[in-house]
Order: sequence, then structure tokens, then C-alpha cells
Amino acid sequence: DAGVIQSPRHEVTEMGQEVTLRCKPISGHDYLFWYRQTMMRGLELLIYFNNNVPIDDSGMPEDRFSAKMPNASFSTLKIQPSEPRDSAVYFCASTLGGRGGNYGYTFGSGTRLTVV
Amino acid sequence: TQLLEQSPQFLSIQEGENLTVYCNSSSVFSSLQWYRQEPGEGPVLLVTVVTGGEVKKLKRLTFQFGDARKDSSLHITAAQPGDTGLYLCAGATGGGNKLTFGTGTQLKVEL
Repeated sequence: DAGVIQSPRHEVTEMGQEVTLRCKPISGHDYLFWYRQTMMRGLELLIYFNNNVPIDDSGMPEDRFSAKMPNASFSTLKIQPSEPRDSAVYFCASTLGGRGGNYGYTFGSGTRLTVV
Repeated sequence: TQLLEQSPQFLSIQEGENLTVYCNSSSVFSSLQWYRQEPGEGPVLLVTVVTGGEVKKLKRLTFQFGDARKDSSLHITAAQPGDTGLYLCAGATGGGNKLTFGTGTQLKVEL
């Protein structure tokens, strides 16, 4: 397995533009998570899915953020409109559900987003 | 919201030295994991501990889960430059699969 695949690796966009980040989880994993990482706030959970269904989106900062998982092999995180404070590294992670999260997460390499 | 505080925040040491990183919370966790993250990459799982008082060893790394399952420590013996990275602890609660990540410890090991 190639692991969790994220695209693009880097994205530079102007304020107000729409940004779409993409993630392909590991085949067979039934949980998918979107995290945002900044120096100031560390790793923050934005939203997670179980069997393609959003379970907890309480970490999504504003209505400008939305996430979808149309099937087990693909998820998107969209920001519209983007703002400079959205600049961060966005990670996707997947795992096989187990009691207590024992299986651990596999993270993608992240998308570094810069909004100018 | 469960908070996981790590200390120290930054650590710069010489090759061959020993070090300990701490992860503390007021919450009880059903399991706790440690990850290492290198620049430009996502965190990579090192270990999972599930039982209070549990100790796990991974070569020169020793992980311990507190008896009350509220804290954990990571001890590295004879650190090497390859150990450089951001170390993150992460806790799961109530048997769920959602992890709360700690604040991180940035380790730099110099020759």
C-alpha cells in the first residue's frame, strides 16, 4: 500500500479564492481524519469520518470550511473563501477502527497551504 | 476538551546524552500513543500503550504509561542525530478512535 496520499503537497493562493485539498486513505481503513497544524496551535482535529459518514465536525473553524467523503477511497477539504489565517499544514490520516484507538493513525505527508 | 501538555517544549542535546519527555493530562485515557514527526512529513506512530503502568521498549526508546492512565513519558538513551524531530503524544478516551494530540516536544540532537 502506498500509504495515505494527499494532494497537492503545496498550495499558494490569493485571499478569497477557493482551495480544495484531497486525500486518499489506506484501503480498508474505516476512519479518516483531517487535522491542521500550526506553530501556535499544534495539531488540531477539524473533522473525522467513519465509513464515509461525518462523525464530529466540531473542530471546523467556520462555515468557510467543508469536508466530504463521497466514497471509501477519497475525501476533500474545501475552504471557500480562503483567508491568510488559514495558512497552515493540513494533514489527512486514516486508521482501522479498534477499541481505544489502538491501531494508530497513518498520516499523509500533508498539504502546506499559504494564503496571501 | 482533554488537554495533553508536553514538556519540555524544546530540547537541544549532544549525541550520546539521555533525555526524558513528559506528557501530562488531567483526563484518563483508554490508550496513549507516541508519534515522531520529521520536517515536511506527517507524524509516524512509534508505540501504543494501553495498560496503566505499562512499559514498552523500542530499541533505545522506553515508553511508560502512568498508573492512573493520565500521563506518559518517553525516555531516549544515548540519543543520536537521527532521533531529531517533533515528538507528539496522543490520547484516546472512552474506547473511541478519536485522538487528542499533545503540544509537542521539538528535539534536536547534535554531533
